[in-house]
Amino acid sequence: GAVVSQHPSRVICKSGTSVKIECRSLDFQATTMFWYRQFPKQSLMLMATSNEGSKATYEQGVEKDKFLINHASLTLSTLTVTSAHPEDSSFYICSARDPLTGENSPLHFGNGTRLTVT
Amino acid sequence: GQNIDQPTEMTATEGAIVQINCTYQTSGFNGLFWYQQHAGEAPTFLSYNVLDGLEEKGRFSSFLSRSKGYSYLLLKELQMKDSASYLCAVRDSNYQLIWGAGTKLIIKP
Repeated sequence: GAVVSQHPSRVICKSGTSVKIECRSLDFQATTMFWYRQFPKQSLMLMATSNEGSKATYEQGVEKDKFLINHASLTLSTLTVTSAHPEDSSFYICSARDPLTGENSPLHFGNGTRLTVT
Repeated sequence: GQNIDQPTEMTATEGAIVQINCTYQTSGFNGLFWYQQHAGEAPTFLSYNVLDGLEEKGRFSSFLSRSKGYSYLLLKELQMKDSASYLCAVRDSNYQLIWGAGTKLIIKP
């Protein structure tokens, strides 16, 4: 089945530094990838939709200059949290759908990245 | 606005059956998904319903009534490993996924 790989799984960084998270579709080409954030005991919150070869679409309230998304190839999207602060500490998850399996196919998720900003 | 409602937490006994309900109010409907999420891990796909009725997949079944805006996930022969959060998500008319907050299921021996 479709596999999405996310790296790193955990990262601890100091306040003010930037962190890059990679999301790869391993056995399919994903023109669109989705980045979610999840705080403890809360649901998934869609942050942005990453579009291959064009600008990402950000959800209301998500700062595009803080959460930089690059989708340079059909199998790789990156999320960079710039100038991270403790309130950015969260679980970040990417997902994608295999376009060849149709609109009704489920999202496949990466294993998530636990970001802790000290 | 769009809304998905699920119970926050449920407790069940190993070997028993549990039903997790989900009600939704969305702008349009293009399918309902159930995902399982273990603590600290990403969600994994369980089931998909787009037509009314029951979809059975092993120990798990999912039911949908579009007229009532209602779905449930039925887990049979509960095992300890079924302890997880169960997320209901509805795809709206724009094919956007609207997520419920999840139901934390606690299995007791």
